[in-house]
Amino acid sequence: SSELTQDPAVSVALGQTVRITCQGDSLRSYYASWYQQKPGQAPVLVIYGKNNRPSGIPDRFSGSSSGNTASLTITGAQAEDEADYYCNSRDSSGNHEGFGGGTKLTVL
Amino acid sequence: QVQLQQWGAGLLKPSETLSLTCAVYGGSFSGYYWSWIRQPPGKGLEWIGEINHSGSTNYNPSLKSRVTISVDTSKNQFSLKLSSVTAADTAVYYCARELRLRLGELLSHYMDVWGKGTTVTVSS
Repeated sequence: SSELTQDPAVSVALGQTVRITCQGDSLRSYYASWYQQKPGQAPVLVIYGKNNRPSGIPDRFSGSSSGNTASLTITGAQAEDEADYYCNSRDSSGNHEGFGGGTKLTVL
Repeated sequence: QVQLQQWGAGLLKPSETLSLTCAVYGGSFSGYYWSWIRQPPGKGLEWIGEINHSGSTNYNPSLKSRVTISVDTSKNQFSLKLSSVTAADTAVYYCARELRLRLGELLSHYMDVWGKGTTVTVSS
């Protein structure tokens, strides 16, 4: 089972700010990475490291970390941001990767 | 730009062995870890395991007894075998490139390039 915990669902009004969180003890040693997945598509990396965005990811996506909690923030959510979001980190043993259960983001 | 192309049998019977291969195009094969991840229908992502260019592997403990990941550096390919499949192994299987860096105070592992996914169905 995953050592990373995410809220199953979150909603946000169009243009507003939303924070998606991920909790786990391993996050005290490893930064979380965040992936966006739309129906029928492969996951796409949106945030890695302390707060790094791959090329092509809009700057409305940002990441932060404190203690055992990592957060993905979308500032000014757009309709196209509606998707499932997964956090990922090495586990506490350092030998395995793990994913959170995913958060379904609805943009109202 | 690195691309991952994956292929393998999409329909298996219970007890058979799943076999998938992922080829790396447009970039270096060494210096990275290469992962397999799966996603059962309507469910979340599950990490299966990883391998580097030297053949060093790590596996998900829940699958370790049935999983073998191997590498062919001459072809820039890595492969997944999962034995004794059941209906619970029905999923979309993805390959991905994994980077490992120290960025700031903590370590960072992340998967920056993914294959398109292969749907594997196990049914009698």
